[in-house]
Amino acid sequence: AQKITQTQPGMFVQEKEAVTLDCTYDTSDPSYGLFWYKQPSSGEMIFLIYQGSYDQQNATEGRYSLNFQKARKSANLVISASQLGDSAMYFCAMREGEYNFNKFYFGSGTKLNVKP
Amino acid sequence: KAGVTQTPRYLIKTRGQQVTLSCSPISGHRSVSWYQQTPGQGLQFLFEYFSETQRNKGNFPGRFSGRQFSNSRSEMNVSTLELGDSALYLCASSLTGEAAEAFFGQGTRLTVV
Repeated sequence: AQKITQTQPGMFVQEKEAVTLDCTYDTSDPSYGLFWYKQPSSGEMIFLIYQGSYDQQNATEGRYSLNFQKARKSANLVISASQLGDSAMYFCAMREGEYNFNKFYFGSGTKLNVKP
Repeated sequence: KAGVTQTPRYLIKTRGQQVTLSCSPISGHRSVSWYQQTPGQGLQFLFEYFSETQRNKGNFPGRFSGRQFSNSRSEMNVSTLELGDSALYLCASSLTGEAAEAFFGQGTRLTVV
């Protein structure tokens, strides 16, 4: 079974609107971390936000927030007030267990296009 | 503060050759991990090093190897290159490996012809 599933290969959003990128995960380990990365065409993976499995509140970082629904095993990324510079590939990733040091499982990614 | 630096950025090699890629982590970071990104397989974990020791390894053949030096810089080596090894190779660094943040470099794009 896929550890991380991103079901939206591509999405369009109007500039200044909010957009939600979906991510579901599969693990039986009670301890895990969920990450979102942005990959522009240059190739670099840019860290956006992190949510730990024991965190009670949803993570937020500026315009990024993570909608963490543990029972549904979903960790959707919400980008508020989209900007043209947000156009990129977005990857959801999971690190499971306490000792899988930086061993991430990545989803297949969502390509976001922000329209002016 | 300098980010993660990977060299070279681009590389073209012939099938059967070997290649060495380099990754310099963020200053103070001791964990370095490597990933292969291809259109077909996506992002796949290769291995992770901490304090010169390999702590975790992905499902890649033995042609893929790595090491870490005392200054935390890491190298990845691929021997007997195959066409399917063409990919973007990314390295990530973090303080310990269990940290909430892992920072990636811009990657090395390897083309095998």
